[in-house]
Amino acid sequence: DQQVKQNSPSLSVQEGRISILNCDYTNSMFDYFLWYKKYPAEGPTFLISISSIKDKNEDGRFTVFLNKSAKHLSLHIVPSQPGDSAVYFCAASMNFGNEKLTFGTGTRLTIIP
Amino acid sequence: ETGVTQSPTHLIKTRGQQVTLRCSSQSGHNTVSWYQQALGQGPQFIFQYYREEENGRGNFPPRFSGLQFPNYSSELNVNALELDDSALYLCASSRFLNSPLHFGNGTRLTVT
Repeated sequence: DQQVKQNSPSLSVQEGRISILNCDYTNSMFDYFLWYKKYPAEGPTFLISISSIKDKNEDGRFTVFLNKSAKHLSLHIVPSQPGDSAVYFCAASMNFGNEKLTFGTGTRLTIIP
Repeated sequence: ETGVTQSPTHLIKTRGQQVTLRCSSQSGHNTVSWYQQALGQGPQFIFQYYREEENGRGNFPPRFSGLQFPNYSSELNVNALELDDSALYLCASSRFLNSPLHFGNGTRLTVT
């Protein structure tokens, strides 16, 4: 039972354009959502998070949007840079904490120079 | 400030054997979590320790066990290894229970 889904296994975007990564969840008890980025042979690196009391959170080039009614969140990267090429994981948890993160299967983002 | 370090980086074991993976948390962090990442999948939560006590467990059998030590380093032990245990095992630490996790680079376990 996949409670967090990333339906696009891969995405290619031109350098300088916007990258939009999507994530859907089924468990309405999730109230805290995170995006992690992973390079080969490295562990995931925290990017940005959002709690269910907000619908948007920004940090530099990264913005996460949360649509609770649709159980959908998205990560926008503007402008996209070659160093953004990595696998991006969406994760969710309950009780606004980091116990028991449920991860999606990831989206491989490739930035084309 | 040192990050999360895991050892060994790679390990090959035979089915039925036991394995111990080690993790050194980031300085000042008192929670540690372990995740299993199978090929092509996202990380799956195994368990979390907070101040040396288990603070939550995922859907893994009892042959997966752990410890957190007073210096907040941690071990993951897996008994009676099965072929499906082949995966990348990730350790993560955080300063507080509601802080983002900082992951190590993982231990790649292969069971033959």
